[in-house]
Amino acid sequence: NAGVTQTPKFQVLKTGQSMTLQCAQDMNHNSMYWYRQDPGMGLRLIYYSASEGTTDKGEVPNGYNVSRLNKREFSLRLESAAPSQTSVYFCASSIWDSNQPQHFGDGTRLSIL
Amino acid sequence: TQLLEQSPQFLSIQEGENLTVYCNSSSVFSSLQWYRQEPGEGPVLLVTVVTGGEVKKLKRLTFQFGDARKDSSLHITAAQTGDTGLYLCAGVVDSNYQLIWGAGTKLIIKP
Repeated sequence: NAGVTQTPKFQVLKTGQSMTLQCAQDMNHNSMYWYRQDPGMGLRLIYYSASEGTTDKGEVPNGYNVSRLNKREFSLRLESAAPSQTSVYFCASSIWDSNQPQHFGDGTRLSIL
Repeated sequence: TQLLEQSPQFLSIQEGENLTVYCNSSSVFSSLQWYRQEPGEGPVLLVTVVTGGEVKKLKRLTFQFGDARKDSSLHITAAQTGDTGLYLCAGVVDSNYQLIWGAGTKLIIKP
């Protein structure tokens, strides 16, 4: 009963490097989300995908890109990592819109040196 | 900018005590969700409140939605060490895809 699976769980990057965070859900959900969580700031939405084939910016999209590869998978890419992007990144999914509960993965802890 | 303020930010109490966590906003929400997050894991939904004045109970946890749907509270009776975690509230506006998140209340229950 996997739910939402994120890879990797931990990553350390140097400033300027690029990487892609992977997310997959097996609940046949239509909507998927990427958040970052920083101490004292709660969860901030980076990008979301309301349905397969669509993506939209959230509150803090600068420095990130996303791809909704298919209904199951939603990836987040950092093209040129910056120390300000050090954070814990969570992927979530829901059946449809925000009225439905969101199901979260266990996060990727990313440090940019 | 819509804000959802949670208080207190941090609470450390002894097992057996009662506590209340608050979420307040100037915005009206169509519903409000409460999540709990444990270290190293993602948030997990506890409850959704929808109607103004609604009260929902989950064992020792009581959730209330304000009459005007601008605020909510979580009351825990006789706290247990297993209640330790980060409690997050999230408001739903207009059935879009963006929740309004509170910053969270970090709760520690000491044995």
